[in-house]
Amino acid sequence: QVQLVQSGAEVRKPGASVKLSCKGSGFTFSESIIHWMRQAPGQRLEWMGRINAASGNVGYSQRFQGRVTLSTDTSASIAYVEVSGLRSEDTAVYYCARGNYLSAWGKGTSVTVSS
Amino acid sequence: ETTLTQSPALVSAAPGDKVIISCRASEDVDDDVNWYQRKPGEAAISIIRDSKILVKGISPRFSGSGYGTDFTLTINNVESEDAAYYFCLQHDSFPHTFGQGTKLEIK
Repeated sequence: QVQLVQSGAEVRKPGASVKLSCKGSGFTFSESIIHWMRQAPGQRLEWMGRINAASGNVGYSQRFQGRVTLSTDTSASIAYVEVSGLRSEDTAVYYCARGNYLSAWGKGTSVTVSS
Repeated sequence: ETTLTQSPALVSAAPGDKVIISCRASEDVDDDVNWYQRKPGEAAISIIRDSKILVKGISPRFSGSGYGTDFTLTINNVESEDAAYYFCLQHDSFPHTFGQGTKLEIK
């Protein structure tokens, strides 16, 4: 079945970067669109951006433009999100989801930014 | 950016009850609203797409309706397994946006 397995929890200091992964199985990853979202404690989900694994085309929310980089390794069926210049407000659970309808989601990766 | 206002934030229902969750968009999003269910420690699952299409494998106790700016998720004959966090998503425009979410508790 379709599955998205996300990497484990991360703790970083302010100013650092973090790169999270999302490994897909049960579908043709190289033909898929992968979205990334995050949810800070007590807040609603925020859409960060999406990447077309077939074309490499990437679209970002303006809110995250310049600080977030989406990428894929289609040979390994893995999508990545890298967030740089971390600040405490980036403490959140980060999710990946597949397809135009975000039909399948990963369980999320917790990122804590603290000095 | 389209804002989705979801209500209520918390609903408590007894088994057999009917629950209605609302999602209101700040601008017209056609029928481009999906609904999801997420349980603690589990991945979110898609239950309704494009406002009213029941996702394959989802119980017909779930239904969705709406067009334009007002959307609802209805859960008929609530069961204990329905206890979860529910949220709406608009995928009509970028950035995609989400409602605040609704926690459904079962009495």
